[in-house]
Amino acid sequence: DTAVSQTPKYLVTQMGNDKSIKCEQNLGHDTMYWYKQDSKKFLKIMFSYNNKELIINETVPNRFSPKSPDKAHLNLHINSLELGDSAVYFCASTPPFNTGELFFGEGSRLTVL
Amino acid sequence: AQTVTQSQPEMSVQEAETVTLSCTYDTSESDYYLFWYKQPPSRQMILVIRQEAYKQQNATENRFSVNFQKAAKSFSLKISDSQLGDAAMYFCAYRRLNTGTASKLTFGTGTRLQVTL
Repeated sequence: DTAVSQTPKYLVTQMGNDKSIKCEQNLGHDTMYWYKQDSKKFLKIMFSYNNKELIINETVPNRFSPKSPDKAHLNLHINSLELGDSAVYFCASTPPFNTGELFFGEGSRLTVL
Repeated sequence: AQTVTQSQPEMSVQEAETVTLSCTYDTSESDYYLFWYKQPPSRQMILVIRQEAYKQQNATENRFSVNFQKAAKSFSLKISDSQLGDAAMYFCAYRRLNTGTASKLTFGTGTRLQVTL
């Protein structure tokens, strides 16, 4: 199936650990994003890559490090996890032609204990 | 900076009735997109409807339609003949026209819609 897929869907870990979330899209899109949805459901952009190049880097702690090995993949690595990092992280992508909309993955729920 | 405001944290509608969700936004741009996304309990973000700012005609997708008032910076979503499956969080979102590559989607805080029998 064509889609934006994220792994893992659920992640429970202890404070201080390091974890990664992976995202892959097979839609042929060239721009990918990470969004964070907090406990109040607010969605906020974190990062965006276009053809492996970082183009949006919002105010995010430097414990968060995105990596895009190619334009179909965008991973998110988080060091020294804190309680406040608990959230749902969404990966999304947009095509090179201008339709405006984002195509979202199913989200990865991260719980930090 | 662009902001999107949804002033209704929760709304309720009876099955088969019509409900309107409100959204206002602030921008100095003249060309942009507006969206409504639906997030059911499965947490998947689903595009409901899209409006290009340069189009005066309001977008319609089956039971979903918008009332786009560009001068007032208002973009409301009307759901007709509401169904139980419409129960979800609804997010209004703004994106400026992609004149370059650095263009993000800015979301409102969401409206939780309940559909009752």
